[in-house]
Amino acid sequence: GAVVSQHPSWVICKSGTSVKIECRSLDFQATTMFWYRQFPKQSLMLMATSNEGSKATYEQGVEKDKFLINHASLTLSTLTVTSAHPEDSSFYICSAARSASGNNEQFFGPGTRLTVL
Amino acid sequence: DAKTTQPTSMDCAEGRAANLPCNHSTISGNEYVYWYRQIHSQGPQYIIHGLKNNETNEMASLIITEDRKSSTLILPHATLRDTAVYYCIVRVGGTTDKLIFGTGTRLQVFP
Repeated sequence: GAVVSQHPSWVICKSGTSVKIECRSLDFQATTMFWYRQFPKQSLMLMATSNEGSKATYEQGVEKDKFLINHASLTLSTLTVTSAHPEDSSFYICSAARSASGNNEQFFGPGTRLTVL
Repeated sequence: DAKTTQPTSMDCAEGRAANLPCNHSTISGNEYVYWYRQIHSQGPQYIIHGLKNNETNEMASLIITEDRKSSTLILPHATLRDTAVYYCIVRVGGTTDKLIFGTGTRLQVFP
């Protein structure tokens, strides 16, 4: 159990377009999901915390109008990179907190590699 | 900022135990120690966590010092598939607190 999926696994887009990345908890409900970004040879950087039915909380320095997060259900959160530019090229990873375990363990998706040309 | 410090890299021979240290000298009484690992180009994988007692599961053992200022993750019989970056993270358990990743330890298991 505790499987988190992401779609797509990789995407290539032109500069100026928008890209939507989905994060799903397949076998558990997640009231809270997190979005991370990882540049090559660097650690994961938390971008935002997504709570079902409410607005996301963004980390300092992350533009909320550029990285739109929607968490409309207990099993799905989406990250939309609007007007993508080459500097947005990165590995985007989501995680979902499973409350049923009592410790709210976070389980990570496999990641989405975004390349902006 | 991450509350932990780890060596940048370590090597381990296949079949031997890999001991990965972590310092968390400012850990609070209600904070747990979590370990995750990330194999290249994949999402992080949960390994183990503990509060103050030593813990063991099918993947690893976690040894926490009595003063809780440091811990060691032990992979008893490392395999080539254990080559990854290992992250030690402290956070309050039982909440949806965010995980703050440090730089981690890059473990290379060699034949």
